[in-house]
Amino acid sequence: ETGVTQTPRHLVMGMTNKKSLKCEQHLGHNAMYWYKQSAKKPLELMFVYNFKEQTENNSVPSRFSPECPNSSHLFLHLHTLQPEDSALYLCASTPMEGVGSPLHFGNGTRLTVT
Amino acid sequence: TQLLEQSPQFLSIQEGENLTVYCNSSSVFSSLQWYRQEPGEGPVLLVTVVTGGEVKKLKRLTFQFGDARKDSSLHITAAQPGDTGLYLCAGESPTGGFKTIFGAGTRLFVKA
Repeated sequence: ETGVTQTPRHLVMGMTNKKSLKCEQHLGHNAMYWYKQSAKKPLELMFVYNFKEQTENNSVPSRFSPECPNSSHLFLHLHTLQPEDSALYLCASTPMEGVGSPLHFGNGTRLTVT
Repeated sequence: TQLLEQSPQFLSIQEGENLTVYCNSSSVFSSLQWYRQEPGEGPVLLVTVVTGGEVKKLKRLTFQFGDARKDSSLHITAAQPGDTGLYLCAGESPTGGFKTIFGAGTRLFVKA
């Protein structure tokens, strides 16, 4: 149990589908993150929320839409995805956004776009 | 060009062997972190090194931060199959903004 729960664990979707990834943390943290992990590439930071406010959008295409209704929950809404968006999507949290805070990761959602 | 270069990319060794993996950068980092990611799971923090020249030990794992705080190494003594996984180094982006950036990782496979 990592304290950060992601659902679903696996998702297969067509390019015209709309789906959402969910992340919930039980650590009392105030910052939450979405990372994309592709094979042989570094983890790519996508979005950061600090106290429910988005503080980072790392030039992510608009087909990815994040939502953070409270400090414990984070969603990633997906629509009109491309096959190259297939990857492991990791959610993480820290006490707050800042220097030196280790990231607590969930186990990810493995997304396949067909 | 990646800010954090990890080498080797892949390593397959026999149980009981020793190994060292590296994390290098041309930039100075205030601290570096090492994570291990096992198949089907998210990365888990192993250690944070903060001071140049610092050495930290975690059982059979020894972490070192370079004097100039531009590089780090992870040495594993007498590797075991349970050490199999992806080892990632990470640090706060030198360009600021409190972003944690990652290397591409070293994938280690320890054969019994």
